[in-house]
Amino acid sequence: SYDLAQPPSVSVSPGQTARITCSGEKLVSKYACWYQQKPGQSPVLVIYQATKRPSGIPGRFSGSTSGNTATLTISGTQDVDEADYYCQAWDTTSVVFGGGTKLTVL
Amino acid sequence: EVRLVESGGGLVKPGGSLRLSCAASGFAFNNAWMNWVRQAPGKGLEWVGRIKSRADGGRTDYAAPVKGRFAISKESSKNMLYLQMNSLTTEDTAVYYCTTDLNAAGWFDPWGQGTLVTVSS
Repeated sequence: SYDLAQPPSVSVSPGQTARITCSGEKLVSKYACWYQQKPGQSPVLVIYQATKRPSGIPGRFSGSTSGNTATLTISGTQDVDEADYYCQAWDTTSVVFGGGTKLTVL
Repeated sequence: EVRLVESGGGLVKPGGSLRLSCAASGFAFNNAWMNWVRQAPGKGLEWVGRIKSRADGGRTDYAAPVKGRFAISKESSKNMLYLQMNSLTTEDTAVYYCTTDLNAAGWFDPWGQGTLVTVSS
């Protein structure tokens, strides 16, 4: 089991909005970040400190947080966004990842 | 450009040892917290451990499944990160990624390409 809970899969039609949630006690006091991983590739950071977007990440990716739940939102989802998405949090002695969510763009 | 290149993966028998290396470039290696993350075939990401910067005490932290068997070290003069893995089991079979927490703020960017470790008899 994971300390951070994510839905195993989310499906979305092209152009629609995809939302992936991540819940856990660690998120009450710690910021989440999000990674995108496509098959055969290394993970790529898409959101950090819950809401910030690294340079080079498209503006359709955004993050939010409320209580013990962080949400990754992809607005105007494109085919290229089909991937696995992982949330992650940390504390002074450890780091934890969510179980991952497979985003399918139908 | 920040770059991380792992090496040292391969096939090892249960109970054996292996040392992974990660060559870092393009950033202040001495000031960065460095992490190892693994991914078993078809599974999700699992944090293995980290080493903090010298300024932050150089402390190492490990995930429960590897504590006491794995050891992370740095050779700052060469910008090299290592993962010494002992008493390997089939459960340790995974792609191992080196990644950096440049700001000691909890997020990892970028990641290396990974190196595959297969533990099998």
